[in-house]
Amino acid sequence: EPEVTQTPSHQVTQMGQEVILRCVPISNHLYFYWYRQILGQKVEFLVSFYNNEISEKSEIFDDQFSVERPDGSNFTLKIRSTKLEDSAMYFCASSELEGPSVGQFFGPGTRLTVL
Amino acid sequence: AQSVAQPEDQVNVAEGNPLTVKCTYSVSGNPYLFWYVQYPNRGLQFLLKYITGDNLVKGSYGFEAEFNKSQTSFHLKKPSALVSDSALYFCAVREGGQAGTALIFGKGTTLSVSS
Repeated sequence: EPEVTQTPSHQVTQMGQEVILRCVPISNHLYFYWYRQILGQKVEFLVSFYNNEISEKSEIFDDQFSVERPDGSNFTLKIRSTKLEDSAMYFCASSELEGPSVGQFFGPGTRLTVL
Repeated sequence: AQSVAQPEDQVNVAEGNPLTVKCTYSVSGNPYLFWYVQYPNRGLQFLLKYITGDNLVKGSYGFEAEFNKSQTSFHLKKPSALVSDSALYFCAVREGGQAGTALIFGKGTTLSVSS
């Protein structure tokens, strides 16, 4: 069964450093998403991406964040200058175009720890 | 604004007994409702969804959910719980049928099934 994959599984960085989280969505999916889950809190939407541009973004997704689809398979989330409060589990998700079976399928997550 | 409420932080049931995990939602338009499960150190796994049609939706691992429009609820149920069902369960809502629209998650309910 096809699945969303994410690398790395765990990233430790120093405050102020840039990090890039990588995702490989399901191959025939066209919408891509990033969510995050701060420890013990709910899953929060960050951004959705379609046709090489941002479709929707939340208040969390400020100028420190950017997304990119650098090639036909990868989808990345970049945090330009990490803050302590960026420590969270980051989930990538993908979905097909709208249809009866559509749902967002999530990867296993990248745990980001900012020291 | 869209919102999801999961009123119980934890649900405890004995193996073999029926289980219910509660979810209520608030949207201004037609709701698209989802249940996800998260096992320790794993990503979110899609269980089931309600888009339209029958109010009782069947999903993975024997779970089902009942959509009740008048009560704005989408409770997750299973006739006979298994110890392996112990996990964190998230209800989510999306307003409308656009694939790029964010999922809004509840805070999650921990299900604990005892043997």
